[in-house]
Amino acid sequence: NAGVTQTPKFRVLKTGQSMTLLCAQDMNHEYMYWYRQDPGMGLRLIHYSVGEGTTAKGEVPDGYNVSRLKKQNFLLGLESAAPSQTSVYFCASSYPTGPQHFGDGTRLSIL
Amino acid sequence: ILNVEQSPQSLHVQEGDSTNFTCSFPSSNFYALHWYRWETAKSPEALFVMTLNGDEKKKGRISATLNTKEGYSYLYIKGSQPEDSATYLCAFGDSGYSTLTFGKGTMLLVSP
Repeated sequence: NAGVTQTPKFRVLKTGQSMTLLCAQDMNHEYMYWYRQDPGMGLRLIHYSVGEGTTAKGEVPDGYNVSRLKKQNFLLGLESAAPSQTSVYFCASSYPTGPQHFGDGTRLSIL
Repeated sequence: ILNVEQSPQSLHVQEGDSTNFTCSFPSSNFYALHWYRWETAKSPEALFVMTLNGDEKKKGRISATLNTKEGYSYLYIKGSQPEDSATYLCAFGDSGYSTLTFGKGTMLLVSP
């Protein structure tokens, strides 16, 4: 049982480049989330989705876009990467009132 | 932005010690309080989901209590072991409950 899988695990980008982080879950969860984790800041919600075809902004959405075309996948895009987006990104999924299940994280560095 | 506070920020105990940490959250519009355990180089794993005032949950040597009227939850670890070393996160869900607001965590180090 894979649970929540994030790809890639590591990436280094140059300022201005774009990329997409992929999150896939095999638990048939309705809800999916993207967080970023920075030292001293805890987990902060970027965007989330409560079902296929729906997305919503979280606490820190600027500079990111998301899509949920299939229930099992939630994509996080950076259109023009900035050094402030250097972080560890976590995807999570859940049933509407259940605990969140997290992926292993993507460590992203932007030079 | 909802305010979820955890204390202490970090804690260092000896093997066998019992310990507890606090999570404070808004007392209005409460729906659920989650606890997660986050080991270094791994991802957070759910410990408890608590929804009722006065709720008490237990998993092995770890237990948690909930007071929704005053807005706090305690996590207790009895007889700490080195493998308990981790960051413990709490997260608050309000009545909208499509998202959680996480605290910054309590980092526990248990020395042999």
